[in-house]
Amino acid sequence: RKEVEQDPGPFNVPEGATVAFNCTYSNSASQSFFWYRQDCRKEPKLLMSVYSSGNEDGRFTAQLNRASQYISLLIRDSKLSDSATYLCVVNNLKNTDKLIFGTGTRLQVFP
Amino acid sequence: GAGVSQSPSNKVTEKGKDVELRCDPISGHTALYWYRQRLGQGLEFLIYFQGNSAPDKSGLPSDRFSAERTGESVSTLTIQRTQQEDSAVYLCASSSQAGGRETQYFGPGTRLLVL
Repeated sequence: RKEVEQDPGPFNVPEGATVAFNCTYSNSASQSFFWYRQDCRKEPKLLMSVYSSGNEDGRFTAQLNRASQYISLLIRDSKLSDSATYLCVVNNLKNTDKLIFGTGTRLQVFP
Repeated sequence: GAGVSQSPSNKVTEKGKDVELRCDPISGHTALYWYRQRLGQGLEFLIYFQGNSAPDKSGLPSDRFSAERTGESVSTLTIQRTQQEDSAVYLCASSSQAGGRETQYFGPGTRLLVL
């Protein structure tokens, strides 16, 4: 089983739609969770951290479910500029405390 | 201040040649990471440096790959006897503190093409 798993997509949605991505992780001891965004041929950039209580940043909402070991990202009122790959990221405690990146979920927002 | 910088931005080499990739982290960042991203694939962890601790080399795919870091500054990733499957974007990232609890800031990457 992969340490971090995501549906690769693509998710094709119209402008204004609400879209949700899920991600599962294998290490129940993981403590830190993030969503990164990667535009085509660009480097990844932090979108938001994911807190136990859930958190919201404008149109973006992140949730953590420790019991089921998954995190989610909800995007409301999608914009064309949201088109990107969204990377689920979890810290790995096996050896050193490093981040493990999922392979990403591709989102394409169309007019 | 300046972000993470990497050089060269693009590198084309012939199979069997050695290449050296450079990363300049954000000043003051103690943690530095190297990743590889093949076309259409996710990020593959290669190596992690944290201060004066021994680096975590668990992601290096073979002994042709090595990396060094000078103190808490520049890092170089060396690939010896390059193979076509080494073609990828090599990304460097740094963070202000140890491990996986701090935001990682990525450089623009070095696109390596092995002919």
